[in-house]
Amino acid sequence: TQLLEQSPQFLSIQEGENLTVYCNSSSVFSSLQWYRQEPGEGPVLLVTVVTGGEVKKLKRLTFQFGDARKDSSLHITAAQPGDTGLYLCAGEEGSGTYKYIFGTGTRLKVLA
Amino acid sequence: NAGVTQTPKFQVLKTGQSMTLQCAQDMNHEYMSWYRQDPGMGLRLIHYSVGAGITDQGEVPNGYNVSRSTTEDFPLRLLSAAPSQTSVYFCASTKRGGYNEQFFGPGTRLTVL
Repeated sequence: TQLLEQSPQFLSIQEGENLTVYCNSSSVFSSLQWYRQEPGEGPVLLVTVVTGGEVKKLKRLTFQFGDARKDSSLHITAAQPGDTGLYLCAGEEGSGTYKYIFGTGTRLKVLA
Repeated sequence: NAGVTQTPKFQVLKTGQSMTLQCAQDMNHEYMSWYRQDPGMGLRLIHYSVGAGITDQGEVPNGYNVSRSTTEDFPLRLLSAAPSQTSVYFCASTKRGGYNEQFFGPGTRLTVL
């Protein structure tokens, strides 16, 4: 089974600061997704990256897929309290398998 | 559309009891999955289905059964509950094609005493 490790596990920052969350594996993934989960709710998809080296931007969030498709990063610029939540990466084993492996998660708290 | 619904929201079982967690979606999605979420472990795939009548095992299938008789429903059965199955369970559905966005239900919090 492929593994996805996220770092850091916890992050507490002040409003306005920048941060980066990492998602790493020794295995290749055909695609990688990032989700945000709020307490008491299911995860909600933020983005899917499918091409090595791909960069996607979603307002203040920038997502990058590593060239070798083994790692990804999420960068948040000028964090806001509304960004608080659990961030999860998920990679698809193989291609078209619909079998997703989730990372361990990064719990972010942005203080006003 | 209600999206993905799960029942019950909370459940307490005694060791050895059996029960079924219900999951339904009204988006006509082909793919459905069950995950469990434990503290510090992210989500782990229990079972998944790529269509009615087709199911397969994920990372942690032991102690759980599934069936998919219709596109809409994907129940998860605990055969003989154990304290190690205390967790939050999420059901998800995905439409084939596109970016395979998984739509998650609100979860079921299960405690096994």
